[in-house]
Formats: sequence, C-alpha cells, structure tokens
Amino acid sequence: SQKIEQNSEALNIQEGKTATLTCNYTNYSPAYLQWYRQDPGRGPVFLLLIRENEKEKRKERLKVTFDTTLKQSLFHITASQPADSATYLCALNSGGYQKVTFGTGTKLQVIP
Amino acid sequence: EAQVTQNPRYLITVTGKKLTVTCSQNMNHEYMSWYRQDPGLGLRQIYYSMNVEVTDKGDVPEGYKVSRKEKRNFPLILESPSPNQTSLYFCASSDDVSSYEQYFGPGTRLTVT
Repeated sequence: SQKIEQNSEALNIQEGKTATLTCNYTNYSPAYLQWYRQDPGRGPVFLLLIRENEKEKRKERLKVTFDTTLKQSLFHITASQPADSATYLCALNSGGYQKVTFGTGTKLQVIP
Repeated sequence: EAQVTQNPRYLITVTGKKLTVTCSQNMNHEYMSWYRQDPGLGLRQIYYSMNVEVTDKGDVPEGYKVSRKEKRNFPLILESPSPNQTSLYFCASSDDVSSYEQYFGPGTRLTVT
C-alpha cells in the first residue's frame, strides 16, 4: 500500500544545532516533493520544492535532499532557532501534478 | 495582499443539515484544493480543481461535493454532514505547472453533532 512516513515523535534539539527531519515514502513515484511548515491553528506555509531529477535544494538555512532510489527526503535546518519550532510536513504528488498527499508531520521543538 | 480566504472560520451544525464552506483566492491561480486535517491522520486531500469546471477526487472525497464556476472560488459542499466529517478544513491554491507551491487559507473548524 502507499505510505508517507515522517518521524511520528517530536524532535527536540538545542538552539544553534542542525535539525534533520526525514520523509520516507512507499509505492509512490513522485515528480516532486515539498516541505511545509505549520504552526498551531494555522494553515501550512510552503518552504521548498525539490523535483525528481534534483538531488539537493537550498534556501537560506534550509536544505532538502531527495533520493528517489531510497525513496526518502531529508530536510535540514541549520543554526536552528526557537522561532523554527513548528510542525513540518512533507508532501508529494500522488497522481497528476495536483493530486497531493501529505505526511503526518514532525513536530520540531528548538530549545534555547 | 495575496491571500486565500475561507468562510466561515468556525461552524457547529447538526447531522444532515446541508452546508457550504466558501473559498476564494485573489492570486488568479488555476489550481485549487480542499483538505481536511485530523489528529494522527494529517492533511488529506478531498478534491482538487485544475481550472474552471475541471475537478477531480483526492484521497477522501466521499460525502463532499465541489464546484468551480469561477476561477477565484472553490466552495466545498457537504450535502448531508455526519459526525465523522468533524474536522479542520483547509482550502489551498497554486499557480501554473512551473510551481506547485500551495497557498493555504486560515482553515475552517467544523463540528457536526
């Protein structure tokens, strides 16, 4: 069956360290994978998109890797700050480009 | 300001009473979607629309209807709501095929008793 898995437990890290979140998927062949941030009670906010033919994408302190052989994406936040505390969701297209499936998210807590 | 708006933001209703949640975007986006979010299950796509009069089912379409008569609006209709449709609903829009970034609305918290 098709599945998208993110660390189900919360991730706690010290301020200044690099946070690494994983997104593993099974029985999908996505053309792209996205990462979103969601704060409590609010809609997700887009962070990064990476396409199937790209290995890595960066944006400021964020880095995403995409390994279609391992069926895995890693999301890194370097020099993490308490303001980075949120739930992070991965999403991929699961049919056409606009049919999208989200993972359940990983809650990140950055401790001052 | 570029935004996706949803109304109402909160709604408590009873089983079987038809309701509509409206969604509007001011970014001239072609693509719009509806999601529901439930604890432990994450965001699940209900329906999406690729353009006016073009809609398709997401992963959980049962019990919902949508229509796209104008580019900016994408209402979600619950013809006969049931308690298992109690959830947090999000509308989202995105632009053309060069970018799949979705802009989400603020959410509608629906309770069906």
